[in-house]
Amino acid sequence: DQQVKQNSPSLSVQEGRISILNCDYTNSMFDYFLWYKKYPAEGPTFLISISSIKDKNEDGRFTVFLNKSAKHLSLHIVPSQPGDSAVYFCAADDMRFGAGTRLTVKP
Amino acid sequence: DAGITQSPRHKVTETGTPVTLRCHQTENHRYMYWYRQDPGHGLRLIHYSYGVKDTDKGEVSDGYSVSRSKTEDFLLTLESATSSQTSVYFCAISSRGAPPTQYFGPGTRLTVL
Repeated sequence: DQQVKQNSPSLSVQEGRISILNCDYTNSMFDYFLWYKKYPAEGPTFLISISSIKDKNEDGRFTVFLNKSAKHLSLHIVPSQPGDSAVYFCAADDMRFGAGTRLTVKP
Repeated sequence: DAGITQSPRHKVTETGTPVTLRCHQTENHRYMYWYRQDPGHGLRLIHYSYGVKDTDKGEVSDGYSVSRSKTEDFLLTLESATSSQTSVYFCAISSRGAPPTQYFGPGTRLTVL
């Protein structure tokens, strides 16, 4: 059973615009959600997290929003840059990951 | 960067042969994990360890075993490799703080012919 789901395998945006990556979960007991970024031929790296007691966390160009009633979180990247092109994984604190979304930012 | 290395980085083997992948950390983190990454599945947890000689199964543990005899080393063994185990394998470490951030190694690309 997939407790963490990323339903969009890919997303393409123009440089300077907003990128919105989505993630849904089924278990209300998770305490933290995390986003990781992965470049080809490298391991994933931690990007940003959010506690289940908050609804927003911001770090520079990256903001994560949590909607507990909808069991949904989203990662916003503003403005998007070509260097943001990567695969983004959302994860819950029980070590489960979503399938990932490949973001392409076009110059 | 967290001190995590994986060896080998690439391996090609034949069906039925045993394979051992090694993960080594210099961070003295208690928790270590093995994941596999496959298209359409993301990262799936194979096994994890919460201390020396303390391990547990993840969501895709069939066909894999692990061992941890020292804090710094976590070994993943495929006793008899199958083509379905062709994948990219990632090791990760964590101190399980708040948030429980994981730090990943560079990965091992395994091909089973």
